[in-house]
Amino acid sequence: QVQLVESGGQVVQPGTSLRLSCEGSGFTFNRYGMIWVRQAPGKGLEWVAVISYDGANQFYADSVKGRFTISRDNPKDTLFLQMNSLNVEDTAIYYCVREDLVIVPGSQKKSFVYYYFMDVWGKGTTVTVSS
Amino acid sequence: EIVLTQSPGTLSLSPGDRATLSCRTSQTISSSYLNWYQQRPGQAPRLLIYGASTRATGIPDRFTGSGSGTDFTLTINRLEPEDFAVYYCQQYGTSLYSFGRGTKLEIK
Repeated sequence: QVQLVESGGQVVQPGTSLRLSCEGSGFTFNRYGMIWVRQAPGKGLEWVAVISYDGANQFYADSVKGRFTISRDNPKDTLFLQMNSLNVEDTAIYYCVREDLVIVPGSQKKSFVYYYFMDVWGKGTTVTVSS
Repeated sequence: EIVLTQSPGTLSLSPGDRATLSCRTSQTISSSYLNWYQQRPGQAPRLLIYGASTRATGIPDRFTGSGSGTDFTLTINRLEPEDFAVYYCQQYGTSLYSFGRGTKLEIK
């Protein structure tokens, strides 16, 4: 079945680095954009980063821009999140998420409607930044 | 940046009741870019509704999404015990995503 499995979460000190991994299975990994979403303890969901299906484009939340890097290895069906200069505010469960895109004809001639959504979620990996 | 405001923050209802959850966006967005997720305690979120009104695979028809412009609603009819959870709306715009803060649906 379609599955995402994260790994790499651990307890680290402020200022250090950590790399998370996410292995996909049960689907054609290189056909989908991939996303990292995090959730701080007792808080809501925060989008972190997205990478296009071919790895050519990446976008980041302002809170992590310049510190985190999202990348992928399509032959190995694996997504990564390199996290540098970690601080206590980065403490969270990090979810690996598949981005789906559905395109349907629009109401006007030669127009299309695009649907972007997060349709498959991993169980998450926990990162704790503490001194 | 588009801000999503969900209300109420907490909704206390009984099984069998109807729940109405609101999500307002700070700017007009395309309905196709508004999605809803459910997160049960201790679990990862799961997709409920995409494109404001299309149920995801396997989601029962008790869940209905509606709305347009800046006002969107998730309605849950005939609440079941497993529906008591946190619900998040989320929007997509120019390769960026954002979530609302969530509505906690609790048993009265």
